Amino acid sequence: AQSVTQPDIHITVSEGASLELRCNYSYGATPYLFWYVQSPGQGLQLLLKYFSGDTLVQGIKGFEAEFKRSQSSFNLRKPSVHWSDAAEYFCAVPGSGNTGKLIFGQGTTLQVKP
Amino acid sequence: DVKVTQSSRYLVKRTGEKVFLECVQDMDHENMFWYRQDPGLGLRLIYFSYDVKMKEKGDIPEGYSVSREKKERFSLILESASTNQTSMYLCASSSGSTNEKLFFGSGTQLSVL
Repeated sequence: AQSVTQPDIHITVSEGASLELRCNYSYGATPYLFWYVQSPGQGLQLLLKYFSGDTLVQGIKGFEAEFKRSQSSFNLRKPSVHWSDAAEYFCAVPGSGNTGKLIFGQGTTLQVKP
Repeated sequence: DVKVTQSSRYLVKRTGEKVFLECVQDMDHENMFWYRQDPGLGLRLIYFSYDVKMKEKGDIPEGYSVSREKKERFSLILESASTNQTSMYLCASSSGSTNEKLFFGSGTQLSVL
């Protein structure tokens, strides 16, 4: 069955430092993969998605993610974090059947220190 | 601008009450979803619908039902609210296929006392 694991529940980085959020997936075939962000009091917004082609995917707000099939990973990165990046981040894969539903990881809360 | 609107941002209900959470989307999307968000558990799918009057159970449907009488509206119903249903509820919609992104509402924080 499809599943997603985000090993880090909470991460704190200093403003201007680099960031990497981990995501590991379990999926039967070549997966579609998504990263969403949830700012406080808001719904989720798509950061980026991978479904084929180049394994390094660029997203909004300066984020990127790299698909590594050998490691079943899709880690999210940003070279220099801004205070406004403080939020909760979710990795997701499609559920079974062609229904458009997504299975989400547990989420990683990012705190940014000034 | 595309929009998924949830009728209430905060709700407080009592145990045993019947609760309706409403969601409306203006994008003519086929698919609509109800997720529940709890700390440390991420988002878990309660129910989804891929067409009017069609519904399918997600991973945690117990204690919930849904209604989709019109394409733009998807309602989540708690027949008899219980304290363990205190949570953040998120509605989402998408067009047909697997690789299409979900558009989310801002959520309804439900407290059952």
